[in-house]
This record gives sequence, structure tokens and C-alpha cells, in this order.
Amino acid sequence: QQPVQSPQAVILREGEDAVINCSSSKALYSVHWYRQKHGEAPVFLMILLKGGEQKGHEKISASFNEKKQQSSLYLTASQLSYSGTYFCGTSFKETSGSRLTFGEGTQLTVNP
Amino acid sequence: DTEVTQTPKHLVMGMTNKKSLKCEQHMGHRAMYWYKQKAKKPPELMFVYSYEKLSINESVPSRFSPECPNSSLLNLHLHALQPEDSALYLCASSQPGQGGKLFFGSGTQLSVL
Repeated sequence: QQPVQSPQAVILREGEDAVINCSSSKALYSVHWYRQKHGEAPVFLMILLKGGEQKGHEKISASFNEKKQQSSLYLTASQLSYSGTYFCGTSFKETSGSRLTFGEGTQLTVNP
Repeated sequence: DTEVTQTPKHLVMGMTNKKSLKCEQHMGHRAMYWYKQKAKKPPELMFVYSYEKLSINESVPSRFSPECPNSSLLNLHLHALQPEDSALYLCASSQPGQGGKLFFGSGTQLSVL
């Protein structure tokens, strides 16, 4: 089951904040977040493995609400380098952790 | 070395050709993956090798044949492909199991004529 990401696209000015959501209809075990710039490989941002977990990486952080089966990625004080497509990838308790299913992606554009 | 290296970067082939994509990593990862990505779409899992054994095949047509000669190498053999198989083919590696973050290669852009 493919997770649902929202919004599909967002345009920001440098310094603004954004939230990207990822939700599943099935019980999640882990949520991965990746960023892919045009013509490049996806790059790992973070993994959330436990319900309620929140992780941070500089000005990018994420939360995982196990009860709601959803994760949110928070980008604060956005920089031009944050532009790209953000994918969440999910794995489920009853399947192999290696079987990661990606959402459709959120295209983030940060303008000067 | 935190790189996954894929060759070639670009490949154009006819529907009757046989070609191979190659992937190499030296991070000691024991899980390796092939993903297919169409333009403006997410990566779709094709195959997973765990400890050099094929552990997941996502019902991929037999014209795609994976091979894992050793823990550092992963190949994808292509034969009699269709134009709809044109896509970016991404290799990735990780430690096996839950929580293993994926390291992706830069991909092979494949065009089937």
C-alpha cells in the first residue's frame, strides 16, 4: 500500500517554513524521508522507527504518530538548497523492512 | 567510501538487444536493491538481495534478470525490453532489516527504442 503524501507541491520564499505529510492506511513500522534533486539520486534524510518519535537534522525535523499512522517532515527557515522532491518511504510490521514503498512525492521549490 | 557506483550512466538499446547494468558498493552493506523510476514518479522496488540471495522479486517481468555475484556487486541483465521499460534504474544498498537507510547510486537512464 502506497503512502499518501501532501501537499503535491509547495513554493516558498527563502526563510519560510513548510510541512510535508505522509500517511498510511496500514500499520506502519518505519518511515523514511528522502530528498531528490532533478537529475540526481535520492538522498537519505532520516528514519523514524518508533511511534511518537521525533528526529531532527539541522533545520529539518520529522515526527511519527503511530496512532494516526502518519509522519510529518518539518522544514524551517528554508534555504535554496532545500529545493527538490521529497519522498516518504514506509515499511510495515508484517513485511520485510527491506520492502520500502514510496509516496508520490512533494515537489518543494524555494525561491530567493 | 559512502558511494554506490552505477554504470553506465546512460544506455540506449533496441528491443532485441542484450545489455547489463552494473552497481558496486564498498560500504559493507549486505542488502542491495534495484529500483525503477519513471519521470516525476517515485522509485518502485524491483528486486532485493540480502546476503547475496534474492529475497524480494516484485513480480518483475523475466526480461529483467538480476544477479549478485558477491556482496559488493549487483547486476541487472536486460533482454528483449519494451519501450515502456525506458526509465531511470537506481541501485541502492543498506544494512539488511528494518531501519537500514538506503544509499542510492546516481542511476542509469535507459532508453529502449
